[in-house]
Amino acid sequence: QSALTQPASVSGSPGQSITISCTGTSSDVGGYNYVSWYQQHPGKAPKLMIYDVGNRPSGVSNRFSGSKSGNTASLTISGLQAEDEADYYCSSYTRSSTWVFGGGTKLTVL
Amino acid sequence: QVQLVESGGGVVQPGGSLRLSCAASGFTFSSYGMHWVRQAPGKGLKWVAFIRYDASNKWYADSVKGRFTLSRDNSKNTLYLQMNSLRGEDTAVYYCAKSSGTYEYYYMDVWGKGTTVTVSS
Repeated sequence: QSALTQPASVSGSPGQSITISCTGTSSDVGGYNYVSWYQQHPGKAPKLMIYDVGNRPSGVSNRFSGSKSGNTASLTISGLQAEDEADYYCSSYTRSSTWVFGGGTKLTVL
Repeated sequence: QVQLVESGGGVVQPGGSLRLSCAASGFTFSSYGMHWVRQAPGKGLKWVAFIRYDASNKWYADSVKGRFTLSRDNSKNTLYLQMNSLRGEDTAVYYCAKSSGTYEYYYMDVWGKGTTVTVSS
């Protein structure tokens, strides 16, 4: 149950777009379309932003989008806003019927 | 609205036990699987365990298997996590999270605010 690999940090200026990658294996990310992304502000509970690779829950801005290629999933945030500054985590269902999270990526809006 | 409220956290000595609870409201609890996820201080999220809507199957992370037991009481809309043989590395905020469906491959869609467990002598 090794963690998925995410960059420790990414940054961007307001209005720009950024992409956070999430790399796993064929036993998790590559094997299923069950990748989700969560946003977590300091001291708060995680919030679902993307589910099943590229679906957005109601209420989540369409500036957030998800995709997957092979063993790597990606979260893209367009039109960066100050409120997007947070930690982001990917997660994937695995062949062992368990879930695994990425190590998290700290997004800084410059 | 959907609400999850965790309780039962606290300070416990290594080797001790603790039982966490998660009270659910705003949805038909008996129709959804439930997860526990933890976050050590300053660290990332770690999945802990999942229980199906009817408790027919449960899955655990290797790090807690044999020490933690997940259960649920659908008549009380409550999820439980019995934690035994606690270790320092179990120190974390523990979140319960609702599954979006009945089975283990459904994503976590709503999270509670968490309860803090500290294992220390």
